[in-house]
Amino acid sequence: DARVTQTPRHKVTEMGQEVTMRCQPILGHNTVFWYRQTMMQGLELLAYFRNRAPLDDSGMPKDRFSAEMPDATLATLKIQPSEPRDSAVYFCASGSDTGYTEAFFGQGTRLTVV
Amino acid sequence: DQQVKQNSPSLSVQEGRISILNCDYTNSMFDYFLWYKKYPAEGPTFLISISSIKDKNEDGRFTVFLNKSAKHLSLHIVPSQPGDSAVYFCAAFQTPSGGGADGLTFGKGTHLIIQP
Repeated sequence: DARVTQTPRHKVTEMGQEVTMRCQPILGHNTVFWYRQTMMQGLELLAYFRNRAPLDDSGMPKDRFSAEMPDATLATLKIQPSEPRDSAVYFCASGSDTGYTEAFFGQGTRLTVV
Repeated sequence: DQQVKQNSPSLSVQEGRISILNCDYTNSMFDYFLWYKKYPAEGPTFLISISSIKDKNEDGRFTVFLNKSAKHLSLHIVPSQPGDSAVYFCAAFQTPSGGGADGLTFGKGTHLIIQP
């Protein structure tokens, strides 16, 4: 059963702490996306990678957010330092460049910064 | 500036009737459109898509219509069932020159409620 796996599912942290969210894309997918869902903005694209190379991270606040793909099976999104306004659900999605453009989403990490 | 707009935050439809969810976009470079469905505490799941070379795509109870001149698309669900109650997101992107998956621009979603 191929699916995108995200950990942790929930995270509560204090303002100023570092937060790391992890994503395991579907095996064989070479494109990984990070999205953030908030009530006000809906689903926003933060960053995405193709073949582990960052293609676009213009949606991400650069001063505190960073996204990496240490290897093809792991993508990470870090926030340091975290702020209450970062509270949201963060989704990872993966896709392939074999022609079909659908992206498959993980279940998300619900982040609460207090 | 929202490039993909879903102007109805919620929609209530009686079971068995047709549900019509609307979506407007402003970027004329978008050439591929998708609908995603999202249940609480789960990630969005792909529902149906349409390329800009078509004006209609059908999959079972779900049909997506695209009106390029109006920059408008709609999702029709008929007949509506209780399991269709979810948030529906419209998404769009411009196919990269190399093909393949690219970052989607989403609308804010419409919460569809199917009433028994």
